[in-house]
Amino acid sequence: DAGITQSPRHKVTETGTPVTLRCHQTENHRYMYWYRQDPGHGLRLIHYSYGVKDTDKGEVSDGYSVSRSKTEDFLLTLESATSSQTSVYFCAIRTVHNEQFFGPGTRLTVL
Amino acid sequence: GNSVTQMEGPVTLSEEAFLTINCTYTATGYPSLFWYVQYPGEGLQLLLKATKADDKGSNKGFEATYRKETTSFHLEKGSVQVSDSAVYFCALSEGNNDMRFGAGTRLTVKP
Repeated sequence: DAGITQSPRHKVTETGTPVTLRCHQTENHRYMYWYRQDPGHGLRLIHYSYGVKDTDKGEVSDGYSVSRSKTEDFLLTLESATSSQTSVYFCAIRTVHNEQFFGPGTRLTVL
Repeated sequence: GNSVTQMEGPVTLSEEAFLTINCTYTATGYPSLFWYVQYPGEGLQLLLKATKADDKGSNKGFEATYRKETTSFHLEKGSVQVSDSAVYFCALSEGNNDMRFGAGTRLTVKP
């Protein structure tokens, strides 16, 4: 357990609304990641952070933004949710041994 | 770019059967290789890893050997249990932001 929590754990929203997901870690890891999990695709990287206020895009970043104002919190925002963003979202941290540990996930449904 | 291909499931076995889940990779350099396991409703958990050619990762009776010559990292277990039923993901990492996952293989073990 790497002390990672995600909130909310479940959310249903409507197309066009903004949504923010939160990832919180308690162990001061520098690197944090947001992935989405969809059937047949495994996990795909949305954005990642390598420090406070330092972020970069991943493989599927369109329609998403992130912010990291504190080491422990990494926020993922869907600017205007679409049905294609219905997914399970996982946050992860990376240790100094290059291992990634994952949070419990957020199931997002966009109607 | 880097990628991971793992055998499609689902895989159904009887308890105490031998398990192999194939994983092959494409990478430009010398990646670290991982197997993750996901139980229903949970995040991914690191099962084992190997960081260089010929390394064997092992944990909970599972093993995988990093084979550079065949670019493979197949997961094996000699005698599966019902509690091993889960989705297994092969992954590789070659840097700070580039962890690539296979699509996942669902394993069901029947009593």
